[in-house]
Parts: sequence; C-alpha cells; structure tokens
Amino acid sequence: QQPVQSPQAVILREGEDAVINCSSSKALYSVHWYRQKHGEAPIFLMILLKGGEQKGHDKISASFNEKKQQSSLYLTASQLSYSGTYFCGTEIIQGAQKLVFGQGTRLTINP
Amino acid sequence: DVKVTQSSRYLVKRTGEKVFLECVQDMDHENMFWYRQDPGLGLRLIYFSYDVKMKEKGDIPEGYSVSREKKERFSLILESASTNQTSMYLCASSLSGAGSRPQHFGDGTRLSIL
Repeated sequence: QQPVQSPQAVILREGEDAVINCSSSKALYSVHWYRQKHGEAPIFLMILLKGGEQKGHDKISASFNEKKQQSSLYLTASQLSYSGTYFCGTEIIQGAQKLVFGQGTRLTINP
Repeated sequence: DVKVTQSSRYLVKRTGEKVFLECVQDMDHENMFWYRQDPGLGLRLIYFSYDVKMKEKGDIPEGYSVSREKKERFSLILESASTNQTSMYLCASSLSGAGSRPQHFGDGTRLSIL
C-alpha cells in the first residue's frame, strides 16, 4: 500500500520554508527521499533508517518517526533549484531493498 | 557516478505489438528495478531483480515480463501492448547488502501505445 504524501502541491516564494510529509499504514524499516525535475531522472536525497533519526543535506533535512510511521522533509530558505516533485519511498522489510513510493509532492519556487 | 541508461527516451508502438525496453547500468549493482510513473500515482514497481536470472513481481506486474541474462542489463517486455500501458517507464539500480541503499534512476522512456 502506497504511503500518502501531503501536501500534493505547494507554491512558495524564494526564501520561504516548506514541509512535506509522508505517512505509511505499515511499520517502516527505512524512508528514502528523492527529487525529480521535469523531464529528468529522480535523484536520491537521503535515507533515514532509525526511528527519530534526523538528517540534513545543505538546507534540506528530514526526520523519521518510527512510532507514527511517518517522515517529514524540511526545506528551509528555499532556492529556485529546489523546484521539482519530491517522492518518499518506504521500505517495509529490512533488507528487501524494494521501495513503495508515495504519489509525489510538486514544489514550485517562484522568485 | 552511477550511470543508468535506458535505450530510448521516446517510443511509439501499436496495440498488440511486443515491446522491449532496455536498461543498462555500469556500476555492478546487484539490484535492478522497473517502475511505471503516471501523474498522481507516483512510481509503481513492476518487477525487481536481485541477481542474474532472478526476479520478483512488484505491485503491478500484469501484462509485463522481464529478463536479466547479464548483471548489467535488465529488460522489460510488454508481451502484447495495450493502450493502458501508455506511460513513463523508469529503470533503477542499487547495491545489495546490509542496510538500505539508494536507488539510481535512468532518464526514463516515454512509451505511447496507439
């Protein structure tokens, strides 16, 4: 069963912050985050493995609440280059290497 | 850097044709994946291969088959193409082993079935 991402779309001005949520109905081993620009391949952002773990990558960070079976991606002081569609991918079984992706969140950053 | 190459960016085929989509990766990854991407539905796994000649069905395998004769190459086959298989197809690869590994994607093949 696919995880649910929210919001489905968000429009920001450059410099504003955004939060993208990913909720699963199943217990999770890991959560992956990817970004896809129009016409391009999805690119890997980060993996979160442990409950409560937080990771950061430049001004993009994420948290993983194992008990709530959800992850959030935080984009602070957004830049034009952050525009794209963000996908979370959830791994239910440890070591399975298979991901179930959410439906995506389209992020538009305007100058 | 990992390079995942899909043989065609755009492909137009007719209903009932047998269609082959090819994917090659250059980093000796054990795992390879085929996804279908449709608006509002995200990426859905069609098939997964964890080794040469080994495969597992994903979430939407109906109407598709796969072949992995060599480690670097993973082919998706539409046995008899239908219009509802018009979509963007993405191939990905990843390392195997302990822990969760990032997936590396190709640029995709936009397939139109007329």
